[in-house]
Parts: sequence; structure tokens; C-alpha cells
Amino acid sequence: NAGVTQTPKFQVLKTGQSMTLQCAQDMNHEYMSWYRQDPGMGLRLIHYSVGAGITDQGEVPNGYNVSRSTTEDFPLRLLSAAPSQTSVYFCASSSQNGSPLHFGNGTRLTVT
Amino acid sequence: AQSVTQLGSHVSVSEGALVLLRCNYSSSVPPYLFWYVQYPNQGLQLLLKYTTGATLVKGINGFEAEFKKSETSFHLTKPSAHMSDAAEYFCAVSGGGATNKLIFGTGTLLAVQP
Repeated sequence: NAGVTQTPKFQVLKTGQSMTLQCAQDMNHEYMSWYRQDPGMGLRLIHYSVGAGITDQGEVPNGYNVSRSTTEDFPLRLLSAAPSQTSVYFCASSSQNGSPLHFGNGTRLTVT
Repeated sequence: AQSVTQLGSHVSVSEGALVLLRCNYSSSVPPYLFWYVQYPNQGLQLLLKYTTGATLVKGINGFEAEFKKSETSFHLTKPSAHMSDAAEYFCAVSGGGATNKLIFGTGTLLAVQP
């Protein structure tokens, strides 16, 4: 099983550019979420989804958009990148409420 | 609302010594509690979880944690540290409901000295 796959692994953007971080899972999990990890701040929830067609905001949603058209995919869009969005981004999925999250290996994003 | 506090951003122990990583939580509903470990340049891996039932839970790599409702704590322990335990450890809480939003602590970086 591939589990949770994130692409790309690394990305450098200039301020104002847009991009999409891809996340796919092959475990038929209903729950998917995006976190960002910054030094000394742990992981903070950006957006999450409880199933195809359903998304909601987490702790730090500003500057990010998501959609969930299929169970497998949960892309994260940055419409106009800012240096404050320099971070490591993790996608995660789980089968049901309270079940452990399965994490991808992360995307390291730098915005200059 | 839920929150997690991890006391000590850096902990250093000698190889063979007891490992104790502290986690306190706040939750308005019965919590689900988790410990995750992150090795350099990797994603997070589940160590152990508490949902209901037995308050002492055992995880992988010899780690265990005890849920203490009266103290709102979920400290992680291991009797004897190994060099391979050096990593960052995160405590997380989920408050139930229809979603599965984990709220993470800020992490504790564990160093193991030879």
C-alpha cells in the first residue's frame, strides 16, 4: 500500500505565485486533513474534510483553499503565495472519527 | 474546544535512562489522546492512542502512556532510552464529534546521550 502520497516533496515559489499541493490516499479513508508544521509551533490544522464534497476550515485557513471531489484526493491550493506560508505541509487521512491519522511524508515549501 | 500543552520543548536523557515526556490537555468532551513520533525529514508515526477503556496504554518501541482524567494528563514514558529514540514527539487530542480534527502540542525534541 502506498498510504498517503504527497507531491511535490520540495517547492520554491515567488511571492504572489499560485500552486497546488497534491495529496492522494489509497486506503478509502473518509477523513482527510492538511496541517502545516512550523518550528516551535507543532502542527496546525489548515483545512479538513469528512468525505467527498465536504470541507471545513481548521485553525489557520487563511490563504488556502481546498476541495474534495473524490474520496482519494484532497489538494491544497495557494492562490497567492506569501513568505508567511513558508512551511512544511502534511496531508493526513483516517478511516473514522478518533482513528489515528496516517501522514504523508510532507511537502517543504519556501516562498521568497 | 481542545488544547494540548507539552512541557519542555527539549529533553535530554542518557542511554538506558527513563524517558518521561509530559502532556496536559484541555477538552470540553471526553478526549481521544495520541502520541506521535517524527524522525528527521519524515512524516508523523503513531506511537499509541487512548480512546476509552484501560487508562494505561502500550505502544510501539516500548513506549507507554497513562490517561489521568483528574490531572488532565497523558504523559509518555519508556523505562530505558535507546539511541534510536532520538526524535520529536507530539501529543495530540481529538474531541470527538462528527470530525476528526487533531489538535497538536508544540512538540518535545528528545535527545539521547551515549
